Amino acid sequence: DTEVTQTPKHLVMGMTNKKSLKCEQHMGHRAMYWYKQKAKKPPELMFVYSYEKLSINESVPSRFSPECPNSSLLNLHLHALQPEDSALYLCASSQVGRTREFYEQYFGPGTRLTVT
Amino acid sequence: AQTVTQSQPEMSVQEAETVTLSCTYDTSESDYYLFWYKQPPSRQMILVIRQEAYKQQNATENRFSVNFQKAAKSFSLKISDSQLGDAAMYFCAYRRGGVRTSGSRLTFGEGTQLTVNP
Repeated sequence: DTEVTQTPKHLVMGMTNKKSLKCEQHMGHRAMYWYKQKAKKPPELMFVYSYEKLSINESVPSRFSPECPNSSLLNLHLHALQPEDSALYLCASSQVGRTREFYEQYFGPGTRLTVT
Repeated sequence: AQTVTQSQPEMSVQEAETVTLSCTYDTSESDYYLFWYKQPPSRQMILVIRQEAYKQQNATENRFSVNFQKAAKSFSLKISDSQLGDAAMYFCAYRRGGVRTSGSRLTFGEGTQLTVNP
């Protein structure tokens, strides 16, 4: 199974709402990633979790709060978002370790977020 | 800091023809990996091909091949016998080499939108 799943596919929320995005993988990967992608632009890295610990935070505003409850799950909690936060949010996972490997990132289909 | 440049925002090709997408990068590292990712309109990003910097042989995957010129820091993607399903946004990406126990950061280019004409 080389699949990363994301729910929901689409989300519309107001600026005062609280919502969460969910990502799941069952490939045994120990690194999971959140990206933000605007239309016709490359993905921008937001967070990286390695072994369920936050290892990279790309200076993301605190209205985005990541959580990694276990090695298969990654959540992104959203609160008080702005219209400019509307984007496609991609989750990815990869192996980590102490050997020379490609550590290919497998991407999910994304959640299309609209903030009104 | 590493940078990746794709100088062709859009490209088009006739079905069954060959097209080459360009990518250049800048790095001071000697150990790294390069990737081409494809993102069709359905939005799922998938890996097309990868190249280790320490390998001189160009990677190939079926109809996809790369021309890796390490000295010139160039990494182009050639798609042979183009198919309608090849239509997508293509991103070139760079990753530092070595052991990465904290996850691997990818640096992406701006992308090239490929259209395949029937």
